[in-house]
Amino acid sequence: NAGVMQNPRHLVRRRGQEARLRCSPMKGHSHVYWYRQLPEEGLKFMVYLQKENIIDESGMPKERFSAEFPKEGPSILRIQQVVRGDSAAYFCASSMGLAGVETQYFGPGTRLLVL
Amino acid sequence: QKEVEQNSGPLSVPEGAIASLNCTYSDRGSQSFFWYRQYSGKSPELIMFIYSNGDKEDGRFTAQLNKASQYVSLLIRDSQPSDSATYLCAVYNTNAGKSTFGDGTTLTVKP
Repeated sequence: NAGVMQNPRHLVRRRGQEARLRCSPMKGHSHVYWYRQLPEEGLKFMVYLQKENIIDESGMPKERFSAEFPKEGPSILRIQQVVRGDSAAYFCASSMGLAGVETQYFGPGTRLLVL
Repeated sequence: QKEVEQNSGPLSVPEGAIASLNCTYSDRGSQSFFWYRQYSGKSPELIMFIYSNGDKEDGRFTAQLNKASQYVSLLIRDSQPSDSATYLCAVYNTNAGKSTFGDGTTLTVKP
């Protein structure tokens, strides 16, 4: 029973490029959450998705960031025209139901470095 | 004021001692409270969760919740060097579909 999978684990981009982060939830989980973590800080909620639907994107910057969770395939967090401030660890978590009612399980994260 | 505040740390205790990690939250609508452990460079992993006022014990870990005081804590008994990590408090308001994490407290257990 594989856990939450994220790829790539490390991603280096130059300013202005696009970053695509992928998350495959645990088998049977239909709820996906993305968080960003800056060094020495906690997890900041970005977006909550269920299959084909964005439920809550209140934590996601309105510009340059987008997320999707298609019917088939992994969830994608897309960052366009990256800037140095986007450098962070991005964690995906999945749950069988609503987080807090059901336990969230975290993937290993993608460490994004913007040069 | 942050929505979820944890003692700033770092917290250092000798091996075998009790480590006490504290967390306060501002959203009175919060219903569930989770503690995660995060080793450096790794992802958070669940330690335990608590929904009701009082204590909940799991092995060497005890979570304590006081909703009236908006306070949740994690006690680690017989601390081991392997417990050295950052501990994240997560607060969930499931009616609002909202999860908020604290910035974490870094614990060091010295042999």
